[in-house]
Amino acid sequence: QVTLRQSGPALVKPTQTLTLTCSFSGFSLSTSGMCVSWIRQPPGKALEWLARIDWDDDKYYTTSLKTRLTISKDTSKNQVVLTLTNMDPVDTATYFCARTVDYTYFDYWGQGTLVTVSS
Amino acid sequence: EIVMTQSPATLSVSPGERATLSCRASQSVSNNLAWYQQKPGQAPRLLIYGASTRATGIPARFSGSGSGTEFTLTISSLQSEDFAVYYCQQYKNWPVFGQGTKVEIK
Repeated sequence: QVTLRQSGPALVKPTQTLTLTCSFSGFSLSTSGMCVSWIRQPPGKALEWLARIDWDDDKYYTTSLKTRLTISKDTSKNQVVLTLTNMDPVDTATYFCARTVDYTYFDYWGQGTLVTVSS
Repeated sequence: EIVMTQSPATLSVSPGERATLSCRASQSVSNNLAWYQQKPGQAPRLLIYGASTRATGIPARFSGSGSGTEFTLTISSLQSEDFAVYYCQQYKNWPVFGQGTKVEIK
């Protein structure tokens, strides 16, 4: 059974760095073709893909946020970590992690964690 | 970047009726298209991948069609649990989602 769960702060101040952790089970990120992505959704708005890390440690970022994002993995702990620097109120959103197999669609999602950026 | 455009933004349908949702890509994505359902406060759920293949456990009333730039999600007979927001997503290139179609009770 594949499960993913996001954890991190619910509130961050402007200019701070957000660090989110995705803890997963039911698959291994050392298996060929496995990937984990981060996706966010501002309140009432659409989904936006942010970053992906692959089984072979390749990393990809959305162009608009590339300079602020870092994704990493700890295969032994079954965790993926996302950092987003210089947070702004427009970064207020629910952040999801999701699994991808063979660089395709998102078949399993975490429940999401709402992050609010406010002073 | 490929842009995904969904229409309509809101679809008002009576229970038991058919719902047809559209998704258009700004350039061909072949059949690299997925559909998701999202209910308030929940994560998206995968419905369709490969433009027309139902994901595991998805009822047969959901069907997908299309290829290239034009795609359709059809819900043949709407049930109460189907009222939600639906997103399309292309995965030919970096993942891009449409803006969503809200299916509401008429």
